[in-house]
Amino acid sequence: SQTIHQWPATLVQPVGSPLSLECTVEGTSNPNLYWYRQAAGRGLQLLFYSVGIGQISSEVPQNLSASRPQDRQFILSSKKLLLSDSGFYLCAWSVGGELFFGEGSRLTVL
Amino acid sequence: GQSLEQPSEVTAVEGAIVQINCTYQTSGFYGLSWYQQHDGGAPTFLSYNALDGLEETGRFSSFLSRSDSYGYLLLQELQMKDSASYFCAVRDQGTGFQKLVFGTGTRLLVSP
Repeated sequence: SQTIHQWPATLVQPVGSPLSLECTVEGTSNPNLYWYRQAAGRGLQLLFYSVGIGQISSEVPQNLSASRPQDRQFILSSKKLLLSDSGFYLCAWSVGGELFFGEGSRLTVL
Repeated sequence: GQSLEQPSEVTAVEGAIVQINCTYQTSGFYGLSWYQQHDGGAPTFLSYNALDGLEETGRFSSFLSRSDSYGYLLLQELQMKDSASYFCAVRDQGTGFQKLVFGTGTRLLVSP
């Protein structure tokens, strides 16, 4: 069966520090991968999606970047975090158009 | 662009029936999905409607009217564990694949 993992689960970072969130998928090949962000009490905003290794599309211009170095690995990064980057970050993969989410990473920028 | 509207909060008692509405505006449409999210957790898939009509899955049902750009999620025999946020999402066409655009969510509070 397919599983998705992301880490770290929680982190507190100072403004201006770098960020790296990692996501891996098991049990499937060449999945479509996504990064969503959810601000407190809000909906999910699509940040990046990838249809294959090295193929990244950005939905919203921002302080973040994404990379897909391997088929089942998706990384979200930032060189310098802003206060507005705080939120709940969710990695997901899709099959048949439905999304399956990882456990999420809760980021607090102070 | 795309926009989806849902009520921000709905309250109900155990055993009752509740309906959560969703209206959408989107340039492309390939179906309406519903997701459940408990506090602190990740969203999980509940249902999907590509065609008009009602889809039933246990205590949950979902309805779609494409001509009205409208759908709803119906929860029957409410239980305390149904307290969560519910998101509607439309499938839109991205570059070479379909992507999901989410509404802002409806918080359901079930009381004894």
